[in-house]
Amino acid sequence: DAGVTQSPTHLIKTRGQQVTLRCSPKSGHDTVSWYQQALGQGPQFIFQYYEEEERQRGNFPDRFSGHQFPNYSSELNVNALLLGDSALYLCASSSQPQHFGDGTRLSIL
Amino acid sequence: KNQVEQSPQSLIILEGKNCTLQCNYTVSPFSNLRWYKQDTGRGPVSLTIMTFSENTKSNGRYTATLDADTKQSSLHITASQLSDSASYICVDVEAAGTASKLTFGTGTRLQVTL
Repeated sequence: DAGVTQSPTHLIKTRGQQVTLRCSPKSGHDTVSWYQQALGQGPQFIFQYYEEEERQRGNFPDRFSGHQFPNYSSELNVNALLLGDSALYLCASSSQPQHFGDGTRLSIL
Repeated sequence: KNQVEQSPQSLIILEGKNCTLQCNYTVSPFSNLRWYKQDTGRGPVSLTIMTFSENTKSNGRYTATLDADTKQSSLHITASQLSDSASYICVDVEAAGTASKLTFGTGTRLQVTL
């Protein structure tokens, strides 16, 4: 039984570009949450998807958007990338307790 | 201001020794409090979950305590091993309908040495 899987594992982009990160939740889990973790910091909640709709959102600008598909997988899209968007992006499925993937390391040059 | 504060920020101990990590939380309403272990380059893994009515919970060599009156929690690691080297993150959980909102602390970086 696969856990939460994320792709790609690493990604390098330049300022102003757009990026899409992908997440497949643990089998049977229908809720997906996305987090941003800057180096040396705890994860910060971006948003949560359930039944293909955004249910909760943290304090992130509209440049951050997402989508959930009927098979519960999810994408995180970030437009107009800034240097400060460099971070580890974590996906978590379910909520009690959340199961995390190993993240996508995004570096902005 | 982060509503979950942890101390110390980092800690170095010898293998076999015990240690205690601290967490103060101010987020409310409170649903449950969790401790996660995060190895370098990996996602966090849940160690313990405590509800408002629980004041202690163990998971092997890890024991978490919770004082809901003072809004403090601690994670005690017994007989540390080299594999315990990781970041330990305290997480306050607010229940919101069918969803939960997690507020993470910045973590304590633990290094266990020979």
